[in-house]
Amino acid sequence: RKEVEQDPGPFNVPEGATVAFNCTYSNSASQSFFWYRQDCRKEPKLLMSVYSSGNEDGRFTAQLNRASQYISLLIRDSKLSDSATYLCVVDTGGFKTIFGAGTRLFVKA
Amino acid sequence: DVKVTQSSRYLVKRTGEKVFLECVQDMDHENMFWYRQDPGLGLRLIYFSYDVKMKEKGDIPEGYSVSREKKERFSLILESASTNQTSMYLCASSRDASSYEQYFGPGTRLTVT
Repeated sequence: RKEVEQDPGPFNVPEGATVAFNCTYSNSASQSFFWYRQDCRKEPKLLMSVYSSGNEDGRFTAQLNRASQYISLLIRDSKLSDSATYLCVVDTGGFKTIFGAGTRLFVKA
Repeated sequence: DVKVTQSSRYLVKRTGEKVFLECVQDMDHENMFWYRQDPGLGLRLIYFSYDVKMKEKGDIPEGYSVSREKKERFSLILESASTNQTSMYLCASSRDASSYEQYFGPGTRLTVT
């Protein structure tokens, strides 16, 4: 079983739609959680951190469920520019950062 | 703005060659990392360094070595390149032990023939 698992997609959604991704992690001792965004042929960049209380940044909402060991990312009012691969990232401490394989999102006009 | 640069965007080498990948960051970050990214596998950590001349193995260090002689520079070395090392190599840095955000370079796509 992978330490961090994501649905690879692709998710194909029209502009304006709401889309949600989940990510599960296996290590219950994981301490910190993040979503990174990676555009085609570009490097990953931090999108947002995920806190126990949830985190909202504009159209993006991230949530953590420690009991079920998953994190989620919700994108509202999708834009064409949201098309990218979204990487779930889990940090278990001691420089042990695990990246998921990513979920691909295509937003269509 | 943090900038992480890598010496090459594309590289083609022959099996058995020694390969050097260079990474430089300009923000005085303590930590530097080397990953490889393959389809369906995500980013996998090869080596990281938390200080000059310090290095630690990541999840897949076999066939690789690293060097960090200066704080801003972290080199990845393939002693004898093999075809299964064909991949995208990404370098990253982070400020210090309390900072989780990693800043990535543009990547080097290495093809070993």
